[in-house]
Amino acid sequence: KNQVEQSPQSLIILEGKNCTLQCNYTVSPFSNLRWYKQDTGRGPVSLTIMTFSENTKSNGRYTATLDADTKQSSLHITASQLSDSASYICVVIPDTGRRALTFGSGTRLQVQP
Amino acid sequence: ETGVTQTPRHLVMGMTNKKSLKCEQHLGHNAMYWYKQSAKKPLELMFVYNFKEQTENNSVPSRFSPECPNSSHLFLHLHTLQPEDSALYLCASSQDVGGRPRREGYEQYFGPGTRLTVT
Repeated sequence: KNQVEQSPQSLIILEGKNCTLQCNYTVSPFSNLRWYKQDTGRGPVSLTIMTFSENTKSNGRYTATLDADTKQSSLHITASQLSDSASYICVVIPDTGRRALTFGSGTRLQVQP
Repeated sequence: ETGVTQTPRHLVMGMTNKKSLKCEQHLGHNAMYWYKQSAKKPLELMFVYNFKEQTENNSVPSRFSPECPNSSHLFLHLHTLQPEDSALYLCASSQDVGGRPRREGYEQYFGPGTRLTVT
């Protein structure tokens, strides 16, 4: 069973609307959590990184939250744009000294005009 | 651009062919990675190289053979692949400190990937 679960699997919203993507993880011990954006046919690009002591972090219209007690994170996108259409991947970095990251399957977001 | 390039971007090969994927990073990093991304599945780590030495091999079949001649270049040699090997192959790099990932600011930079189709 994957240790990082994302929901929904896919989402369609209208341009200008807000949306929230969810990430639940069981990775432990946990060092930090990152959200990546992956455009079709491209490699993932980092949006935010959060350590276990942080609750929220923003990057422009993207705001990530983290609840280390419930092991949940969310990515909120405000005033969506067509260019936000992509897959959003939640990645958890375990605090084990290994370099391996634990990836979620991603949420495929489509923003329609 | 992330500073990590991959060639070719697309590759179609038969099961009896031999081909190689190339990755180059221009970031001065000391660690490089190969990942496989299949449809609707999480990224799967294949190999890790740190200072040109392979440090991880996640039970990857021998038909995939990595090569890291220096800290900036990484290859993935392919031979006698199967149709289920069709996927997006991503290369990444990072700067490790003292052989361990940093707790804060740890980041892997990904290339654009090679879309591989095995026929």
